[in-house]
Amino acid sequence: SAVISQKPSRDICQRGTSLTIQCQVDSQVTMMFWYRQQPGQSLTLIATANQGSEATYESGFVIDKFPISRPNLTFSTLTVSNMSPEDSSIYLCSVESGGAGGYTFGSGTRLTVV
Amino acid sequence: ILNVEQSPQSLHVQEGDSTNFTCSFPSSNFYALHWYRWETAKSPEALFVMTLNGDEKKKGRISATLNTKEGYSYLYIKGSQPEDSATYLCAPRYGNKLVFGAGTILRVKS
Repeated sequence: SAVISQKPSRDICQRGTSLTIQCQVDSQVTMMFWYRQQPGQSLTLIATANQGSEATYESGFVIDKFPISRPNLTFSTLTVSNMSPEDSSIYLCSVESGGAGGYTFGSGTRLTVV
Repeated sequence: ILNVEQSPQSLHVQEGDSTNFTCSFPSSNFYALHWYRWETAKSPEALFVMTLNGDEKKKGRISATLNTKEGYSYLYIKGSQPEDSATYLCAPRYGNKLVFGAGTILRVKS
C-alpha cells in the first residue's frame, strides 16, 4: 500500500497567520483527501484534491480558508489561512491504498493556534 | 448529514479482558465499512474493510462483524494487551468518501 510523508508533524502558530501542510506519496494516486479532527470531534473531510482540477470542498469548508494545491499525482498541500484558535486541530491527508478498498493516512499535523 | 455513532466513548480494561465496541450508521447507500486503529502521533492503521458481501473478519485477537441491513458493526478484542491501547475508529464509505465516528478510546492496564 501507499506510504505518505506528512509535514510538519506539529506547529504552534499565532492567530492571523497561515500554515501550509504538505503530503508526499510514494506512488501516483488520483485523489487525495484532507481531513480535520477538532478536539473531541470526529475526523471530518475538508476536501478532495484531484490533480489538474480544483479541489472539491465539503459543506462548511471554503477555498479561501483552506486553499489546496495538487501540482502532480504524488504531492498535495493544504493551507490553513488567517488562523484562529478554532483551527487548532489535527489535520490528516489520505489516499486510497489499493485493491482491498482501504485508505492510507499520513501521520497528521497537530496544529495549535494561540 | 450522515451520523455515525460509536460506543462507548472510552473504555478502561485490565490486561486479559475481552472487550467490544459498537458502530452504528445509516445503512442506505453505504459501500463498505472501515475500522481503523489510531495511536497518538501515528497514522490511523487500517484494521478491516468490510464489504457488503462479507459479514465477519478476523485478524489475530481482533475480529469484526457487520450487519448491512440494520447498519451496525461490532469490533471485538479478545484478551486485551497494553499495546491494544488506542482510539478505534469506524467509518462507513459512501461513494468515495469515508464518514468517521468519534471513536472509542481503549486503555488497557497491565
